[in-house]
Amino acid sequence: GQQVMQIPQYQHVQEGEDFTTYCNSSTTLSNIQWYKQRPGGHPVFLIQLVKSGEVKKQKRLTFQFGEAKKNSSLHITATQTTDVGTYFCAGSTTTDSWGKLQFGAGTQVVVTP
Amino acid sequence: NAGVTQTPKFQVLKTGQSMTLQCAQDMNHNSMYWYRQDPGMGLRLIYYSASEGTTDKGEVPNGYNVSRLNKREFSLRLESAAPSQTSVYFCASKTTTGGSNEQFFGPGTRLTVL
Repeated sequence: GQQVMQIPQYQHVQEGEDFTTYCNSSTTLSNIQWYKQRPGGHPVFLIQLVKSGEVKKQKRLTFQFGEAKKNSSLHITATQTTDVGTYFCAGSTTTDSWGKLQFGAGTQVVVTP
Repeated sequence: NAGVTQTPKFQVLKTGQSMTLQCAQDMNHNSMYWYRQDPGMGLRLIYYSASEGTTDKGEVPNGYNVSRLNKREFSLRLESAAPSQTSVYFCASKTTTGGSNEQFFGPGTRLTVL
C-alpha cells in the first residue's frame, strides 16, 4: 500500500539557523499537505500543494512539491523558538472529496536559543 | 464556533473494559475521521465517514467500531480495550466543497489501557 516516509525524525536547530525536512511517497500523490503539532497539542493545517513542481511560501516557511509528485519538502529559515513542534506531511492519492490522508511519521523540531 | 470537540480529554481503562470516545464538529463538515497517534508513527487512520450515513475502515480498524450519529457527531467505540490501544486519539473533520482538503483536528483524547 501507499507509504509516506519523512526524514529526519528529529531535528535539533540553533535559533537563527535554517533546516529542511523531507517527505517521500512510494506512489504518485494527487496532493500533499503539511501540518504542525505543538507539544501536547493537536495537528494544525499549514498548507496544501497540488501541482507538480509547486512552491509556496509562508513567511519563513517554504514548501515544495516534486516534479513527479512523489516528494515534498519544508524549509524553514532563521528558525525561532516558536517553530518548536512536530511537522507532518500527509499525502492523498485520490481526488475524492473526502480526502483520506496518509501521514508521515513527522519531524520533531527542537530549537536551542 | 468551537470547531471540533472531543470528550473525554483523558481516560484510564482496565483491559477488557469498553468505552466510547465522542467527537462533534460545528462547521457543517461532511467528512469526519478518527486517528490514533503513537510515538514515532505519525497519525494512522482508524475509520472515516465520507458523509452522513456512511463509514469505512481505515488503516488500523481492528478492535474499534464507529457510529456517525448525525452530521455533527462521530463516535469511536472500544468494545474490549487492550493495552495495545493505549494511544492519543484524534478526531478530525473536513468540508467536501470548495476544493480545500484541510482537515480540522480536535484536541485529542489520551487513553491508557492497563
